[in-house]
Order: sequence, then structure tokens, then C-alpha cells
Amino acid sequence: DVKVTQSSRYLVKRTGEKVFLECVQDMDHENMFWYRQDPGLGLRLIYFSYDVKMKEKGDIPEGYSVSREKKERFSLILESASTNQTSMYLCASSWPGTGHQPQHFGDGTRLSIL
Amino acid sequence: TQLLEQSPQFLSIQEGENLTVYCNSSSVFSSLQWYRQEPGEGPVLLVTVVTGGEVKKLKRLTFQFGDARKDSSLHITAAQPGDTGLYLCAGAPMNRDDKIIFGKGTRLHILP
Repeated sequence: DVKVTQSSRYLVKRTGEKVFLECVQDMDHENMFWYRQDPGLGLRLIYFSYDVKMKEKGDIPEGYSVSREKKERFSLILESASTNQTSMYLCASSWPGTGHQPQHFGDGTRLSIL
Repeated sequence: TQLLEQSPQFLSIQEGENLTVYCNSSSVFSSLQWYRQEPGEGPVLLVTVVTGGEVKKLKRLTFQFGDARKDSSLHITAAQPGDTGLYLCAGAPMNRDDKIIFGKGTRLHILP
């Protein structure tokens, strides 16, 4: 079974801090994604990557950056955390080829910014 | 912009009842996926439908892809408390360079 592991289930940080969310997958998937999930807004794509050292902006990249130095690891960085970034963050991975390939999700990180 | 509308947003029914939830769009998709997300976990893929009119069954769950590949439905027979969760549909655009699109989900609660 595909395993997508997110480093923390719960995280509490302060406004202005630099926050790192880590995601590791064990299936050698090329594609990796970061979403945030908020009530009433559904899943919104922040950034995605189709290869090592490659990144593409999703629908809401402002205030975030990403890093993919190794194929199995995709990190989401909040450069200067703000309270409106309090959310559930979900990482996912999939085989190459957009669209048809199902995404395998981690269990999420619930991030609170105080 | 392609959108997927899911209805209803919330549904609370008694154990043993049947239900149907819907995923609709004005756009055509090459395939459509259904996921279930339980509290405190990430979404898990249930099924992918690819062909217009396709019907797939997963135990008590029946998934149908519309003939025009613009909509889909999920029917649950004799719902059980274990069916409780957030059901998400996700559409794969015809242009394979475009990203998958998620609906906002139907939150289902089965009362014992």
C-alpha cells in the first residue's frame, strides 16, 4: 500500500514564524501536491510538483513556498505565518500523468497560527 | 473555470436507509473519482469511473458516471454508521495538462 506520511498531525505556531510542513511518500511517485482544506471551501491546491526540483503554483500559492530536493519528499513552507493560514493541510502523491491517476493522501496536519 | 458541484452539502439519515449524493458540472471530464474522508484522516480513493454511463459497485455503494461525462452519482444502500464521512468527487479534465478538480464534498452522517 502507498504510504504518504506527514510529519505532524497537529501543530501550533505563532504569527510571523517560519513554518515547515514535511511530507514523505514511499511509492516512488513523480507527482506530489499540497492542499489546504477549510470548511465550506473544500480542497484548494497550493503547490504541486511533477519532478525533483520542479514546482508549479496551484490556485492559492500566496504566502507559501515549497521545496522538492528528493523525489520522496515535498515540503511546504509558510514564510511568515499569519492567522488566516490556520487550516488542515493535506499532502498527496500520484503516478505521472495528470487527471486519471488517483491521488494518495496523508492524514493531514492541522495547523493553528496564534 | 471548471467546477464540480456536490449535493447535498450535508446529509444525516438513519441506519438502514438508502441515499444518493450527486456531483454535477457543466464541463466534460475524462474520468471522475470518488473519495471518502473520515474524521482525522486524509481522503481515500473509492472508485474511478471512466466511460460515459459506467456503473461500478463497491459492496453497498453504487457509482454511476453520466452518459455525457458531466456528472456522477453515488448511491448507498442500507447505510451503516461506518459510512459516515465526507464524500468528495474529483474530475479529471479532458486536457491532461490540467489539474484534477475537487468538489467541496457531501458530509454524510449515519445515525445508529
